[in-house]
Amino acid sequence: DVVMTQSPLSLPVTLGQPASISCRSSQSLIYSDGNTYLNWLQQRPGQSPRRLIYQVSNRDSGVPDRFSGSGSGTDFTLTISRVEAEDVGIYYCMQGSHWPPYTFGQGTKLEIK
Amino acid sequence: EVQLVESGGGLVNPGGSLRLSCAASGFTFTSAWMDWVRRAPGKGLEWIGRIKSKAAGGTTDYASPVKGRFVISRDDSRNTLYLQINSLKIEDTAIYYCARLSVVATTVIWGQGTLVTVSS
Repeated sequence: DVVMTQSPLSLPVTLGQPASISCRSSQSLIYSDGNTYLNWLQQRPGQSPRRLIYQVSNRDSGVPDRFSGSGSGTDFTLTISRVEAEDVGIYYCMQGSHWPPYTFGQGTKLEIK
Repeated sequence: EVQLVESGGGLVNPGGSLRLSCAASGFTFTSAWMDWVRRAPGKGLEWIGRIKSKAAGGTTDYASPVKGRFVISRDDSRNTLYLQINSLKIEDTAIYYCARLSVVATTVIWGQGTLVTVSS
């Protein structure tokens, strides 16, 4: 199974400041069709998860443009350009290039300083 | 409105069984590949398994930790997904979510989750 490793696991951020989360996979996520199936998800306290980004860098509908995804191969990053209070929660990367199974990172807990 | 609503969670003794249900509405359930995901207390998300649409064969795939104990099924006439959990262990305590996951542009749908607590 592909192991997804996130860092940091805890991310205290000042409102209005940028934040970045790293995700590394144990093997390349480039699929045989040339695409890379790497998602980013957000889970706010008390809510169900929500996908923010698919295929590395594509924002889902309704996701603010302060969220962006980048990376390739085995190294990926989620960046929030200016953190807002509603961004508090846990962020997960998830790979779908080598399934089953889908595998998630351990989660990064973003909190406001 | 696109919606997934889970039910069936509760308190169960170790070794017991439980069947979770997930009622779907607002989208074409019959063509959807459906997943179960769980989140144990203090831990991250864990994919449990998936069932394909009948048109794609209706087959299932499971994560290794649950293979042989968990069974995913579907009733397309009722737009309902099921998760049968057998031989429950303490470590199966978690919120269980049904979801239509996707790694492409298809909209992802999550239920609100149902809590399963395994304790004597």
